[in-house]
Amino acid sequence: QSALTQPASVSGSPGQSITISCTGTNSDVGTYKFVSWYQQHPGKAPKLMIFDVSDRPSGVSNRFSGSKSGNTASLTISGLQAEDEADYYCTSYTGSSTLVFGGGTKLTVL
Amino acid sequence: QVQLQESGPGLVKPSETLSLTCSVSGYSISNGHYWGWIRQPPGKGLEWIGSVHYSGSTNYNPSLKSRVTISVDTSKNQFSLKLSSVTAADTAVYYCARDYGGNSGSFDCWGQGTLVTVSS
Repeated sequence: QSALTQPASVSGSPGQSITISCTGTNSDVGTYKFVSWYQQHPGKAPKLMIFDVSDRPSGVSNRFSGSKSGNTASLTISGLQAEDEADYYCTSYTGSSTLVFGGGTKLTVL
Repeated sequence: QVQLQESGPGLVKPSETLSLTCSVSGYSISNGHYWGWIRQPPGKGLEWIGSVHYSGSTNYNPSLKSRVTISVDTSKNQFSLKLSSVTAADTAVYYCARDYGGNSGSFDCWGQGTLVTVSS
């Protein structure tokens, strides 16, 4: 199974909105609703931000939202804040009871 | 509050077997969910290694399947990872985590991670 494709980096200014894409195939993102997004700050464990494509765990800001179209899932962060600067990873169920992560995207808040 | 803690040797010799244990507190593994292992080589991205259900059912990353064994001990509220025939490429921070959605990749609780270095 191949890793999901994410842009290596994205950037935005405080208050702006940014979107991170996560492209898979008909065997993973395109078929299943089990897409999750993680935020990871340097030296820290990842934190679940979105699950099942668009659901937010309790305690996660509603500035974070998820969506999916075809084989591409997206994470949108609105009202960008300095604390949002981190690495972001997507993951998807692939069928055959396996999971695959994206390569990760570094978000820079300018 | 659910807490996970990885434990095991921080240094493993090439060709030997890496063994880690994840101790869970504040929640019974027998309550359900899948429990997974994820690793991150220094400066690189996340890689799913595999997951185990409290019943003992397992799922593995196809690229690692021939070398991986994940097991669960409900009496100790722990689950474990064994990775055989390790090489320098297996050097990474290893995380254990709870898959809230049931093998869906929605890992809502994570351990702090433990660095395992493969070197002679």
